Amino acid sequence: NAGVTQTPKFQVLKTGQSMTLQCAQDMNHEYMSWYRQDPGMGLRLIHYSVGAGITDQGEVPNGYNVSRSTTEDFPLRLLSAAPSQTSVYFCASSYSKVLAKNIQYFGAGTRLSVL
Amino acid sequence: AQKVTQAQTEISVVEKEDVTLDCVYETRDTTYYLFWYKQPPSGELVFLIRRNSFDEQNEISGRYSWNFQKSTSSFNFTITASQVVDSAVYFCALTINNNDMRFGAGTRLTVKP
Repeated sequence: NAGVTQTPKFQVLKTGQSMTLQCAQDMNHEYMSWYRQDPGMGLRLIHYSVGAGITDQGEVPNGYNVSRSTTEDFPLRLLSAAPSQTSVYFCASSYSKVLAKNIQYFGAGTRLSVL
Repeated sequence: AQKVTQAQTEISVVEKEDVTLDCVYETRDTTYYLFWYKQPPSGELVFLIRRNSFDEQNEISGRYSWNFQKSTSSFNFTITASQVVDSAVYFCALTINNNDMRFGAGTRLTVKP
C-alpha cells in the first residue's frame, strides 16, 4: 500500500523561485489537504479539497496555490518562495469529504528551505 | 473559534514510568471530534484515536488510554509503562462540522532507557 506519497522529500529554494510540491494518494479518497508544520505551532492547514475540481482555503493560504484535476493528485504550488515559507509540508487524505468524522492519512512530509 | 492547547512542550521520563499528555480544547460547537496523532522521528503522522463529543467514555488500547472530560474541555492521553519506542511528538487535534482540523503545538515525549 503506497498510501499518501509526497515528492520531493527535501528541497532548497532561493527567494523568488517557484516550485510545486507533489502529493498523490492511491486510496480513492475524496478529501485531500496540505499542512505546514513549524516549531512550536503544530500543523496549520494551508488548502484543502473535497473532490476533483473543488478546492478551498485553510488557515494559512497566502503564498500558495492548489488545484485538483484528478482524485489522486493534489499539488501545492509556491509561486514566489519567501524565507517565511521555510517549513515542513505535509499532505493528507481522508475517505470522506466530511473531514470532521474521518481519519486523515499523512504523507512523509517535504522539508523545504528558502534562502 | 476553535483552538487546541498542549501546554507541555517537552516531557522526559525513564522507561516504565507512566506519563500523561494534556490536551485542552476550545470550541462553541456542540458537535466536534478530537484526535491524537503520533509523529515518530521518521516524521510521518500516525493516527492514534478519534473521539466524538457525544462519547465521553474513556478508552484503553494496550498501554494507551484516553480521558475525555467535557466539563473541563480536556482530552488527555496516558501511556502506561512507557517504552523507548514511545518517544515521539504527540499532537492533539480538533475538528467541528467543517473541513478544518486544528492541531495543538504538540508535546515532545522522550523516554530514556
